[in-house]
Amino acid sequence: AQSVTQLDSHVSVSEGTPVLLRCNYSSSYSPSLFWYVQHPNKGLQLLLKYTSAATLVKGINGFEAEFKKSETSFHLTKPSAHMSDAAEYFCVVIRNTGGFKTIFGAGTRLFVKA
Amino acid sequence: NAGVTQTPKFRVLKTGQSMTLLCAQDMNHEYMYWYRQDPGMGLRLIHYSVGEGTTAKGEVPDGYNVSRLKKQNFLLGLESAAPSQTSVYFCASSYRGENTEAFFGQGTRLTVV
Repeated sequence: AQSVTQLDSHVSVSEGTPVLLRCNYSSSYSPSLFWYVQHPNKGLQLLLKYTSAATLVKGINGFEAEFKKSETSFHLTKPSAHMSDAAEYFCVVIRNTGGFKTIFGAGTRLFVKA
Repeated sequence: NAGVTQTPKFRVLKTGQSMTLLCAQDMNHEYMYWYRQDPGMGLRLIHYSVGEGTTAKGEVPDGYNVSRLKKQNFLLGLESAAPSQTSVYFCASSYRGENTEAFFGQGTRLTVV
């Protein structure tokens, strides 16, 4: 069975400090992994995706994520948080082998303090 | 370029009423999806379509029907609304399925009383 676990429901950081949002997945097949961001009352926007190329993936707005197969993790990081980063972040697994599935994590809400 | 447009943005229904949510995309995408978002549960796939004239069940299809008569439109229907269907509904589209970015609409907030 496939699953996505976002290890923190809420993360609070100060502006200018690093951000770490954790995601672990389980999949019987090689997955495609995504991070999406959702600002209040908005749709979701793609931050970055991993599709079996480079294990370190760079996305928009200074975010990046590293795929670690041995740890089944795909954590999202940013060196320096900005107030505009306050939002909800979703880790997503998509696979199209043995049936199409999209599996969202429960989300991590990021708070950024001035 | 409008991207993905959902209609309506808000709706209140009485239990047992029916309604249709419309999703339109102007990016010539093959795949389209309907999700519902509930607190603490992320997004769950209701139905999806891999091309005009095709539909398939997702994770939580019960109580919903869909149609994809035109490539650019994907309709989600509730035949007899129930309070458990109170949620925020998102439509999305993508060029292909697995490895491509999905573009999301702004959402429809549906309340069933």
